[in-house]
Amino acid sequence: TQLLEQSPQFLSIQEGENLTVYCNSSSVFSSLQWYRQEPGEGPVLLVTVVTGGEVKKLKRLTFQFGDARKDSSLHITAAQPGDTGLYLCAGADDKIIFGKGTRLHILP
Amino acid sequence: DAGVIQSPRHEVTEMGQEVTLRCKPISGHNSLFWYRQTMMRGLELLIYFNNNVPIDDSGMPEDRFSAKMPNASFSTLKIQPSEPRDSAVYFCASSLVLRIAGQVSTDTQYFGPGTRLTVL
Repeated sequence: TQLLEQSPQFLSIQEGENLTVYCNSSSVFSSLQWYRQEPGEGPVLLVTVVTGGEVKKLKRLTFQFGDARKDSSLHITAAQPGDTGLYLCAGADDKIIFGKGTRLHILP
Repeated sequence: DAGVIQSPRHEVTEMGQEVTLRCKPISGHNSLFWYRQTMMRGLELLIYFNNNVPIDDSGMPEDRFSAKMPNASFSTLKIQPSEPRDSAVYFCASSLVLRIAGQVSTDTQYFGPGTRLTVL
């Protein structure tokens, strides 16, 4: 059974700080996706990483796919209250498997 | 595009009652997914359709759950009889799944707003 472990489960930090959240698995995925979910809404795709070692940037967010395509990280620089939400990683092969997410709260 | 449409947005029912959740996927998408989300278990895939055919229903909890996709623009998830432990947010998502030379490539999944189900 493929599993994705996300850490930390909860993170509360001050506006302006940097943070990194992690997504780890014992399985290899053909691609890995990061989603953000806000209260009362469905998850929204932020990025897909495909190649081992790949790094993608989305404004203040930096996503990295591990060399072995088993893990990924999301780094946020100078966090803002608008970054608050549930961050989900999902490994994709013929179907998508989600981690339980990191619930991030940025304090103004 | 209106995106994925789900109804109802909220459902409160009593244990033993039948519950039907509805989903309209994005036009042109060939795959539809039903998920359940709880704090304890996170986002779980229940069933996945491709071209209206159920491909993987291994996530369906038990026989009380059933899903249908009679055409490309409509799907239902039914729980009969419902139990308190079924309380959760149920999401429908659609995407375009491509099969090229035997390789499956799943494009972005677009999620609906979800149905919050409470079974008393």
